[in-house]
Amino acid sequence: SQQGEEDPQALSIQEGENATMNCSYKTSINNLQWYRQNSGRGLVHLILIRSNEREKHSGRLRVTLDTSKKSSSLLITASRAADTASYFCATVASGGSYIPTFGRGTSLIVHP
Amino acid sequence: DAGVTQSPTHLIKTRGQQVTLRCSPISGHKSVSWYQQVLGQGPQFIFQYYEKEERGRGNFPDRFSARQFPNYSSELNVNALLLGDSALYLCASSLRQGASYEQYFGPGTRLTVT
Repeated sequence: SQQGEEDPQALSIQEGENATMNCSYKTSINNLQWYRQNSGRGLVHLILIRSNEREKHSGRLRVTLDTSKKSSSLLITASRAADTASYFCATVASGGSYIPTFGRGTSLIVHP
Repeated sequence: DAGVTQSPTHLIKTRGQQVTLRCSPISGHKSVSWYQQVLGQGPQFIFQYYEKEERGRGNFPDRFSARQFPNYSSELNVNALLLGDSALYLCASSLRQGASYEQYFGPGTRLTVT
């Protein structure tokens, strides 16, 4: 079963615009991770944010976490055509399972 | 340094056959996990191995099995293939088992069952 659910399912923007994707989840988490996947190939880890953190940055990426609302967002600033990919959030539940549970993903298309 | 490698890249099998997929983790990584990704969905966890022992199993039938070798490479076996087993099979390695250890994914094996 899917723990995290991304929203929107698909997003189409122009180069230079910002892209925001949201993830909602249901149970208490140890951490939440964001991944990128190009053309149905392997996933690339982007950012891990722990349950006691509220915001993290990595280059043009900004992730926020609101544990009271059980939600996270991924912001890509000044998007590029190369950012075109599917983006997944994955939650690791608290309690020691260590297994990340992935959502269905957001498909992002950045038009040059 | 080489990343996670998987073989084969693509595979076509017939219903009822058996398949073995292989994964080599990043050097020094002792944990390997397997995921199934059906088109349009996120990856679904199948197995996790750490130090050659099974440490986690997802909601998959007993037709799915795996093992980890002394060099930490891993194999995923699927018996009695069904059409619904058609998917991208992803292997991920991490340094150790644990919630905070980043997973590095391989490029996957695309399995088509006809």
